[in-house]
Amino acid sequence: QSALTQPASVSGSPGQSITITCSGTSSDVGGYDFVSWFQQHPDRAPKLVIYDVTKRPSGVSNRFSGSKSGNTASLTISGLQAEDEADYYCCSFAGNSVIFGGGTKLTVL
Amino acid sequence: EVQLVESGGGLVQPGGSLRLSCAASGFTFSSYWMHWVRQAPGKGLVWVSRINSDGRSTDYADSVTGRFTISRDNAKNTLYLQINSLRAEDTAVYYCARVVGATNFDYWGQGTLVTVSS
Repeated sequence: QSALTQPASVSGSPGQSITITCSGTSSDVGGYDFVSWFQQHPDRAPKLVIYDVTKRPSGVSNRFSGSKSGNTASLTISGLQAEDEADYYCCSFAGNSVIFGGGTKLTVL
Repeated sequence: EVQLVESGGGLVQPGGSLRLSCAASGFTFSSYWMHWVRQAPGKGLVWVSRINSDGRSTDYADSVTGRFTISRDNAKNTLYLQINSLRAEDTAVYYCARVVGATNFDYWGQGTLVTVSS
């Protein structure tokens, strides 16, 4: 049950697009189309922004999109806004468990 | 409105025990799988455990197997996590979450802090 691999940090300027990757194995990310992404602001509970690889919950901006290729999933945020600055986590179904990524800190310059 | 409210956290000595609770409201609790996720101070999210809708099926992270027990009382709309043989590395905010499907963690509680220290 090793954590999924995410970059520690990414940054971008307002209006730009950024992509956060989430690397796993064929036993988790690559084996199922059950990858979710969460946004977490300091001292707040996580918020779901993408589920089932590409689906967006009601109320989440269409600036957030997800994809997957092989054992790597990706979250893309387009048209960066100051409020997007937060920590982002991926997670994947892994059979009899769920695995989270180590998290990525997004800085909006 | 869906609400999940955790309680039961606190300061406990190494080797001690606690029972965390998660009171659910605003939805049909007995229809959903529920999970616990924890976050050590300044660290990332870590999945802990899950339980199916009727309470008969449970799974645990390797790091807590044998020490933690997840359960639920659908009549009381409450999820529990019994945590025994606590270690310093169990210090974390513990969140309960409602999950639809495999990883659609659509609602989270505000978390309850467990601190293990002598």
